[in-house]
Amino acid sequence: KQEVTQIPAALSVPEGENLVLNCSFTDSAIYNLQWFRQDPGKGLTSLLLIQSSQREQTSGRLNASLDKSSGRSTLYIAASQPGDSATYLCAAANRDDKIIFGKGTRLHILP
Amino acid sequence: KAGVTQTPRYLIKTRGQQVTLSCSPISGHRSVSWYQQTPGQGLQFLFEYFSETQRNKGNFPGRFSGRQFSNSRSEMNVSTLELGDSALYLCASSFLDAYEQYFGPGTRLTVT
Repeated sequence: KQEVTQIPAALSVPEGENLVLNCSFTDSAIYNLQWFRQDPGKGLTSLLLIQSSQREQTSGRLNASLDKSSGRSTLYIAASQPGDSATYLCAAANRDDKIIFGKGTRLHILP
Repeated sequence: KAGVTQTPRYLIKTRGQQVTLSCSPISGHRSVSWYQQTPGQGLQFLFEYFSETQRNKGNFPGRFSGRQFSNSRSEMNVSTLELGDSALYLCASSFLDAYEQYFGPGTRLTVT
């Protein structure tokens, strides 16, 4: 049974710093891994999707990597800004078509 | 292209009542998934519909049900509401199952 873990649960960093969010999964037979952002009380916004055959994806200041052998994915945010404050969730899509979410990392960028 | 829409956005119900939530996917998307989000449990998968057929179901009691129409719009129904059903209910659509998911804004259900 797939389990997705995100550590830490919360993170505060000063504006301008680069940071890495972690996501680990127990079953490496995933179809893809997706990173989302959620603002308080709102729905999820898709940030990056990495297919199982890919190692990383980039969009602007965001870079997501995938290492299936170690069961890990990271989301790198460069030059953080106060507007990046949100909860970041990762989700693993298994080959049985089920998508399992981590509980998220609550990120606070200090101005 | 319009995003995923969910109605209503907010709902207050009392224990024992039933509720129906609606989700309209992005045009052309055939897969609709439903999730329940609570502070304690995080995002939990409820079920997924593809071309009017339920393809996957999470570990929720039979009080939770859903359906999908021929235009891909989906509804979920919760009968005999309990206090613990208070949550943000999110729906997501994708072109095909396990493709990139796009989420709606959610329906905030409060059961009193």
